[in-house]
Amino acid sequence: DQQVKQNSPSLSVQEGRISILNCDYTNSMFDYFLWYKKYPAEGPTFLISISSIKDKNEDGRFTVFLNKSAKHLSLHIVPSQPGDSAVYFCAASAGDDKIIFGKGTRLHILP
Amino acid sequence: EADIYQTPRYLVIGTGKKITLECSQTMGHDKMYWYQQDPGMELHLIHYSYGVNSTEKGDLSSESTVSRIRTEHFPLTLESARPSHTSQYLCASGLGAGDTDTQYFGPGTRLTVL
Repeated sequence: DQQVKQNSPSLSVQEGRISILNCDYTNSMFDYFLWYKKYPAEGPTFLISISSIKDKNEDGRFTVFLNKSAKHLSLHIVPSQPGDSAVYFCAASAGDDKIIFGKGTRLHILP
Repeated sequence: EADIYQTPRYLVIGTGKKITLECSQTMGHDKMYWYQQDPGMELHLIHYSYGVNSTEKGDLSSESTVSRIRTEHFPLTLESARPSHTSQYLCASGLGAGDTDTQYFGPGTRLTVL
């Protein structure tokens, strides 16, 4: 049973527009959430995180929003750039040093 | 920039061979992890370590074994490789301090067993 769900396997966005990647989770014990970016043949790269005591965290073009009541988080990328084309993994932790990953969403930035 | 290394990056090997996937990190992290990932699927934790001489099995059952004799080194061994072991293996490390459970990943080893 998947605890972290990314229901969109892929997403295409025009360059310069906003990319919104969504993630849902089922475990109410999760208190720390992360987004990773992965290029083919490389390991995931940490992008941004958010603690459950916050509802928003921003880092440059990347913003993560957390809605605890809906058990939903989203990653906003604005403006989207060609180098953003990659697979994005949502992940969550319950404070036990283990991270549970979603299946990923492949983002295509169109010229 | 995370300093975590994995070798080899790619490995094609025949059934029955013994293999060791290497993972090293220079960040002094106590916690290290091995994940297995198939294309289009989530990363599954197969082993982790909280420090020297500490190893635990992860959520996904694996026939591989690990050792942690030095803080910086966390090798994974398959005694007898089988085609079902074909996958990408990702090593990670982190401080794991409460709400900063960020893990940093190596480039991965793509293993193909014929």
